[in-house]
Amino acid sequence: GNSVTQMEGPVTLSEEAFLTINCTYTATGYPSLFWYVQYPGEGLQLLLKATKADDKGSNKGFEATYRKETTSFHLEKGSVQVSDSAVYFCALIWSGSARQLTFGSGTQLTVLP
Amino acid sequence: DGGITQSPKYLFRKEGQNVTLSCEQNLNHDAMYWYRQDPGQGLRLIYYSQIVNDFQKGDIAEGYSVSREKKESFPLTVTSAQKNPTAFYLCASSDNGETQYFGPGTRLLVL
Repeated sequence: GNSVTQMEGPVTLSEEAFLTINCTYTATGYPSLFWYVQYPGEGLQLLLKATKADDKGSNKGFEATYRKETTSFHLEKGSVQVSDSAVYFCALIWSGSARQLTFGSGTQLTVLP
Repeated sequence: DGGITQSPKYLFRKEGQNVTLSCEQNLNHDAMYWYRQDPGQGLRLIYYSQIVNDFQKGDIAEGYSVSREKKESFPLTVTSAQKNPTAFYLCASSDNGETQYFGPGTRLLVL
């Protein structure tokens, strides 16, 4: 079946540091890939997405590239801010799954001033 | 102001009691979903509905029930059969494309 594996957290960085959160997936066919962000006590917000191989999703300084050869969708940001502190979820939708999202377990990011 | 609303924000359940969580959307989306989130874990799908008057079980449907009588509404009932209901419940909707939009969540606690 489909699955998503994220790097384990928590991740703690200083402000302006470089961020990478690794995400790899297993899926039949060609899934679409997503990063969602969850701030404390809130629901999930879509951060970025990519729908086919080599696509790059980007938003608010975050980027992720759909790598079919390595089945990966790593999240990066060049300079994190305290306000980026949140839980980040990698997810996929496969066309044969009635549009059901499969989530990774989430990575807690804390950015210190 | 379009979006998804969930109520209440916090809900307390006594043993043996059924409780219902509300989810409303004014995005005119056809599909709606319920997820359960436990601490330190990803989201797991409870039920989903792709059209009014139709819904399907997700991965962890036991102890839960839903209805979809209106396009805008997809309430979730946590029944007494659900022995470990304490969790954060998230509702989402989609226009049957790929992007799902989430509500703010309801935290269910057992007294």
